[in-house]
Amino acid sequence: GENVEQHPSTLSVQEGDSAVIKCTYSDSASNYFPWYKQELGKGPQLIIDIRSNVGEKKDQRIAVTLNKTAKHFSLHITETQPEDSAVYFCAANAGGTSYGKLTFGQGTILTVHP
Amino acid sequence: DAGVTQSPTHLIKTRGQQVTLRCSPKSGHDTVSWYQQALGQGPQFIFQYYEEEERQRGNFPDRFSGHQFPNYSSELNVNALLLGDSALYLCASSLQGMSQPQHFGDGTRLSIL
Repeated sequence: GENVEQHPSTLSVQEGDSAVIKCTYSDSASNYFPWYKQELGKGPQLIIDIRSNVGEKKDQRIAVTLNKTAKHFSLHITETQPEDSAVYFCAANAGGTSYGKLTFGQGTILTVHP
Repeated sequence: DAGVTQSPTHLIKTRGQQVTLRCSPKSGHDTVSWYQQALGQGPQFIFQYYEEEERQRGNFPDRFSGHQFPNYSSELNVNALLLGDSALYLCASSLQGMSQPQHFGDGTRLSIL
């Protein structure tokens, strides 16, 4: 089955800096890669996603890049703000008969210091 | 726009008991997936329901079962509870189909004593 590795496990930045979180996946059939932000006591919130036919997608301060050959994808947050502090999860959704199942990484705790 | 709602928010049970958790999907969604999130871990897929049938299942024992109703809401049932079942149980809803975004509720925190 699919396996998703996420790094780093913790990330500390100063307000205004950029933050990058990286994930690798194992199943070359995976074709959909969402990113979620989870705040304390809340469920994961979808912040951006990318499909395998696209190499990069941007939404204001957030961008995601995908390298299908290397089987890795990354989340980029620019001009970080204290409210960006949360746990971030990457996920992969394999195609075929497993298309409904998301496999998550282990999460990255992002702390943005004012 | 009503998002995904789950009930109850917290639940305490003892070993051997059974529990039922409930989920109402986001308006317009027809597919419900359930995930288990242990403390400090990413969510793990339990199963997915569409058209009142279990369509996919993760690596969870038969003690975990579910149901989907005609109004698309869903229940997760866990029998013979173990200490290791203590976790946050998350419901996600989506449209059926390839690469459809899944939107999560805030979960039910289940504690087993």
